[in-house]
Amino acid sequence: QVQLVQSGAEVKKPGASVKVSCKAAGYTFTGHYMHWVRQAPGQGLEWMGWINPNSGDTNNAHKFQGRVTMTRDTSINTAYMELSGLTSDDTAVYYCARDSQRLPNYYYQMDVWGVGTTVTVSS
Amino acid sequence: EIVLTQSPATLSLSPGERASLSCRASQSVSTYLAWYQQKPGQAPRLLIYDASNRASGIPARFSGSGSGTDFTLTISSLEPEDFAVYYCQQRNNWPTTFGPGTKVEIK
Repeated sequence: QVQLVQSGAEVKKPGASVKVSCKAAGYTFTGHYMHWVRQAPGQGLEWMGWINPNSGDTNNAHKFQGRVTMTRDTSINTAYMELSGLTSDDTAVYYCARDSQRLPNYYYQMDVWGVGTTVTVSS
Repeated sequence: EIVLTQSPATLSLSPGERASLSCRASQSVSTYLAWYQQKPGQAPRLLIYDASNRASGIPARFSGSGSGTDFTLTISSLEPEDFAVYYCQQRNNWPTTFGPGTKVEIK
């Protein structure tokens, strides 16, 4: 069964960093780009960036450049998203989502999603 | 950055009725538009890609149409499980962007 298993909820103080993990199962982890999308409470979806699990290459939205780091560990089929300099505006559910296309293509179409990781930033 | 506008914000309908949801782009996105469904407490689910192609396992009552700047998601006859929020997404221009969503609620 194809699935993405994300790490549990986090509570962080302003200025801290958070690292969310996303473990892939049921498919070849290095065969699909992985996207990160977040959703603030009661709000819409916001694309943060992607990682190519095969090469480790990343591409992030301008809004997050300098604050987000996407990495992967192919030995355990896991992608990570670390966000630093947290503020209350970063309170959101963070999703990892698989790109629907097999490498080398990527279409920004997300066909498999994790259940989300709630990150709360509060003093 | 391409801005997507969805209308209406909320659609109140009864089971069995037809739903038409609109997504308008601030500039042409060709046919590189997708639709997602999201239920409370759940992750989004890909319904339609490239404007009119149903994703794997999506029932035939869901259909998409449009090109350029104007797109429509149609649900031919609403089932109880279809009441949810629907988002459109464009991938024609970087960065990919999502619309604000349309909530389909039970009347």
